[in-house]
Amino acid sequence: DIQMTQSPSSLSASVGDRVTITCRASQTISSYLNWYHHKPGKAPKLLIYGASKLHSGVPSRFSGSGSGTDFTLTISGLQLEDFAIYYCQQSYSPPHTFGQGTKLEIK
Amino acid sequence: QVQLQESGPGLVQPSQTLSLTCSVSGGSINRGSYFWTWIRQPAGKGLEWIGRIYTSGGTNYNPSLMSRVTISADTSKNQFSLKLTSVTAADTAMYFCARGYGGSSSEGVRLDYWGQGTLVTVSA
Repeated sequence: DIQMTQSPSSLSASVGDRVTITCRASQTISSYLNWYHHKPGKAPKLLIYGASKLHSGVPSRFSGSGSGTDFTLTISGLQLEDFAIYYCQQSYSPPHTFGQGTKLEIK
Repeated sequence: QVQLQESGPGLVQPSQTLSLTCSVSGGSINRGSYFWTWIRQPAGKGLEWIGRIYTSGGTNYNPSLMSRVTISADTSKNQFSLKLTSVTAADTAMYFCARGYGGSSSEGVRLDYWGQGTLVTVSA
């Protein structure tokens, strides 16, 4: 299985801040990398697919970059609704493994 | 708008079979190039990809669960299902169903619609 490692595991920030979350794959996955946002008790939401493509309806303050083994998710201008858990996921080969998650908390 | 809703028993006895159903509305499960997927999340842990069934009926499973898991579809009810046999406490988790969509070959498959999840506890 391809292992996905996110950093940091948790992050404190303020409304308006710019934050970056990284995700590293244990082997090359080209650009087959997705990012999700999850608030407990709700359905996870797709933010970014193909490493850098914004899913329909997702605000432009979210952006993704990277290819191969190293990827980043950047949120520019945090809003209250962005405080949640973020997961990366590879879709290069099944099983489509997830990172362990990054909890974004209000400072 | 596609919507998915998980249903099934919230409590399963150890060694028994966990059975869940995902009802899909707003779109047919046997049209288009979709992958109907199950994911789970044990309390306090991350997401684990369980497996998927293609629109064509083919399946992929997580090797760690392959000997115990079956995903099937009932197109007449627009539902797909998960069966996990010989459950233990380690199978206690929130279970999610989701739709996988693969666009161009450069984009890969992403899970674009998810259910809210259903909690399954394995306990006597």
